Amino acid sequence: QSALTQPASVSGSPGQSITISCTGTSSDVGSYNLVSWYQHHPGRAPKLMIYEVNKRPSGVSNRFSGSKSGYTASLTISGLQTEDEANYYCCSYAGATTLVFGGGTKLTVL
Amino acid sequence: EVQLVESGGGLVQPGRSLRLSCAASGFTFDDYGMHWVRQAPGRGLEWVSGITWNSGNIGYADSVKGRFTISRDNAKNSLYLQMNSLGAEDTALYYCAKLGGGYCSGGPCYFDYWGQGTLVTVSS
Repeated sequence: QSALTQPASVSGSPGQSITISCTGTSSDVGSYNLVSWYQHHPGRAPKLMIYEVNKRPSGVSNRFSGSKSGYTASLTISGLQTEDEANYYCCSYAGATTLVFGGGTKLTVL
Repeated sequence: EVQLVESGGGLVQPGRSLRLSCAASGFTFDDYGMHWVRQAPGRGLEWVSGITWNSGNIGYADSVKGRFTISRDNAKNSLYLQMNSLGAEDTALYYCAKLGGGYCSGGPCYFDYWGQGTLVTVSS
């Protein structure tokens, strides 16, 4: 159960697009289309942004999108806004009622 | 409105035990899997444990296996985490999280609601 690999930080200017990668193994990301992404502002509960690789929950902006290729999932945020500044975590099912999170990526909107 | 309210956190000495609870409301509790996720100070989210809707399947992170026990009481709409042999590495904010479905394999495997967390501090 090793954590999925995410970049520690990414940054972008308002209006730009950024992509956060999430690399796993054949035991998790590579085997299941059960990758989800969470936005986490300090002091608040995490918020689901993407589930099952590329599905958006009701109420989440269509500026957020997800994809997966092989062992790597990605979250893309287009048209960056200042309120997007937060920590982002990927999460994957890893079999047998276990899940694994990524180490988290701090997004800075410059 | 879905609500998840954790309780039971606090300061505990190394080697001792603690039991966390999560009171759920606003949804049909026994239809959904439930999980615990923690965040140590300055660190990222870490999945801890999960239980299917009917307690038929349970999973643990390697870091807590053999020390923590997850359980649920569907009659009381409650989720629990019994934590034994606590160490400093278990110091964290513990979140209760609702799964999107009853179980993960082949089903909705994401957390659509989270509680605000309960803080566990392990220190002498």
